[in-house]
Amino acid sequence: AQTVTQSQPEMSVQEAETVTLSCTYDTSESDYYLFWYKQPPSRQMILVIRQEAYKQQNATENRFSVNFQKAAKSFSLKISDSQLGDAAMYFCAFDSWGKLQFGAGTQVVVTP
Amino acid sequence: DTAVSQTPKYLVTQMGNDKSIKCEQNLGHDTMYWYKQDSKKFLKIMFSYNNKELIINETVPNRFSPKSPDKAHLNLHINSLELGDSAVYFCASSQTGTKASRGYTFGSGTRLTVV
Repeated sequence: AQTVTQSQPEMSVQEAETVTLSCTYDTSESDYYLFWYKQPPSRQMILVIRQEAYKQQNATENRFSVNFQKAAKSFSLKISDSQLGDAAMYFCAFDSWGKLQFGAGTQVVVTP
Repeated sequence: DTAVSQTPKYLVTQMGNDKSIKCEQNLGHDTMYWYKQDSKKFLKIMFSYNNKELIINETVPNRFSPKSPDKAHLNLHINSLELGDSAVYFCASSQTGTKASRGYTFGSGTRLTVV
């Protein structure tokens, strides 16, 4: 069975600074997808970034980028130039065979 | 236009009642899901349907019954509600089969409170 671990319950960052959220996963699959979702207080689940395991190049979306280390089964998210609107719960998720599994989440707090 | 819409957004009901949550997607996706988010914010899959066929049925009490009349709709019916059913329920959809289009779109969630 696959598991997704987010070891940081909460991370605090100042505006304009950079924060990195860690995520590790365990799987025996070779083809899978990894995601980061953001959940603000509105509770909407918003896709931040997606990575296909067969692609070696790390995905980027504007200020969001990932460091995907397939051999280490690590998938960290870097938020650059943090903004107040980035404050939210961030979930790492693993997808194989159409079953999305989530980590426990990391609460990001952005201070002015 | 909302891509994945759930109704109602909030539901407060008494123990023992039966209730339904509806979900519709207009993305043309072939697979729909129900996820449950508990009080600690942990998200877990409950069911998935592909073209009206049940694909995933996690260990969920029989009181929960999904129904998919067509591939754009997936409803969740809950019988004999219990206090422990209080949670946020998310509907989601995705298009399976093509790697390039893999991704999940979530509805805004239904907060169910059983009193």
